[in-house]
Amino acid sequence: DQQVKQNSPSLSVQEGRISILNCDYTNSMFDYFLWYKKYPAEGPTFLISISSIKDKNEDGRFTVFLNKSAKHLSLHIVPSQPGDSAVYFCAASDRGSQGNLIFGKGTKLSVKP
Amino acid sequence: EAGVTQFPSHSVIEKGQTVTLRCDPISGHDNLYWYRRVMGKEIKFLLHFVKESKQDESGMPNNRFLAERTGGTYSTLKVQPAELEDSGVYFCASSALVASPLHFGNGTRLTVT
Repeated sequence: DQQVKQNSPSLSVQEGRISILNCDYTNSMFDYFLWYKKYPAEGPTFLISISSIKDKNEDGRFTVFLNKSAKHLSLHIVPSQPGDSAVYFCAASDRGSQGNLIFGKGTKLSVKP
Repeated sequence: EAGVTQFPSHSVIEKGQTVTLRCDPISGHDNLYWYRRVMGKEIKFLLHFVKESKQDESGMPNNRFLAERTGGTYSTLKVQPAELEDSGVYFCASSALVASPLHFGNGTRLTVT
């Protein structure tokens, strides 16, 4: 039973436009959420995180929004660039097991020039 | 700063054989993690070391898997005997603090035939 779900396996966006990647979770004990980016043949690279005491965190072109009541988070990339093309993983953990990340299956983002 | 390094990058073995994967974490990182991604599925936690001690091994699939981290530096993950369902990409990650984002290596792709 998946506790972290990324329901869109892929997303295609035009360069310069906004990319919105979505993630839903079921475990109300999760209090820390992360987004990782992965290129082929490489390991996941940390992108941005958010704790459950916040509803938004921004870092440059990347913003993560958390809606606790809906158990939903999203990653916004604006403006999107061709180099952003990668697989994006949503991950979550709870305070008691912070190193044990629960990952979604990932969304493959393609940014077209 | 050198990243997390994993060896080998690929391994092809026959069912019943033994394979040992190695991970060198970022220098100074006490926390070391093993994760696995089986084809088409999400990245799943296997275990977490703090220095040389196993903090959480709840994700280890069965007793055919043995992880060690002697001396609290590099870690090995041995699969003995390997089964077909063990095929996948094994990722190692490290972090300075438990609450810090994980730094992943590029993974070892294991194929059991």
